[in-house]
Amino acid sequence: DVKVTQSSRYLVKRTGEKVFLECVQDMDHENMFWYRQDPGLGLRLIYFSYDVKMKEKGDIPEGYSVSREKKERFSLILESASTNQTSMYLCASSIRQGNTEAFFGQGTRLTVV
Amino acid sequence: GEDVEQSLFLSVREGDSSVINCTYTDSSSTYLYWYKQEPGAGLQLLTYIFSNMDMKQDQRLTVLLNKKDKHLSLRIADTQTGDSAIYFCAESRPLGRGSTLGRLYFGRGTQLTVWP
Repeated sequence: DVKVTQSSRYLVKRTGEKVFLECVQDMDHENMFWYRQDPGLGLRLIYFSYDVKMKEKGDIPEGYSVSREKKERFSLILESASTNQTSMYLCASSIRQGNTEAFFGQGTRLTVV
Repeated sequence: GEDVEQSLFLSVREGDSSVINCTYTDSSSTYLYWYKQEPGAGLQLLTYIFSNMDMKQDQRLTVLLNKKDKHLSLRIADTQTGDSAIYFCAESRPLGRGSTLGRLYFGRGTQLTVWP
């Protein structure tokens, strides 16, 4: 079974802190994605990556950056956390082509106070 | 428009059938997906359909695809209280014309509530 693991289920950070959310997948998938989920807004894509050291902006990249130094690991970085970044963050991975069904991690609920 | 659309709420009685509808946007979408999200969890793939199919059945789940109207539906037969969750429709679209790379676009999710 594909496993996508996010480093934390719950996280509380202070405004202005630098926050790292880590995601690791074990199926050698080329693609990795970071989404945020907010009530009534569904899933919105923040950043994605099709290969090591490669990144593409999604629909809402402002205030975020990412890092993909190894194929299995994709990190989301909040350079200076703000209260409007309080949300559920979901990581996903998929193969590059064909049936690109995405496999999701369990989510990280981040609260910025 | 650009959005994948689905209604936000659906309530059914236990034992009835549930039908969740979705309209998508891109006729070149190759795969369409249904995901389920239980409270506090990530998304779990329920089923998918390839764009050259009209219907796919998998136990209690039936997916219908109308490419002309860009309409996708998920029918859950004999709905149980354990089916209460948020259901997301998603389409896979290429990044650009001629691109072999793609990404998923999700609807906002339908909250299914099953009453005993």
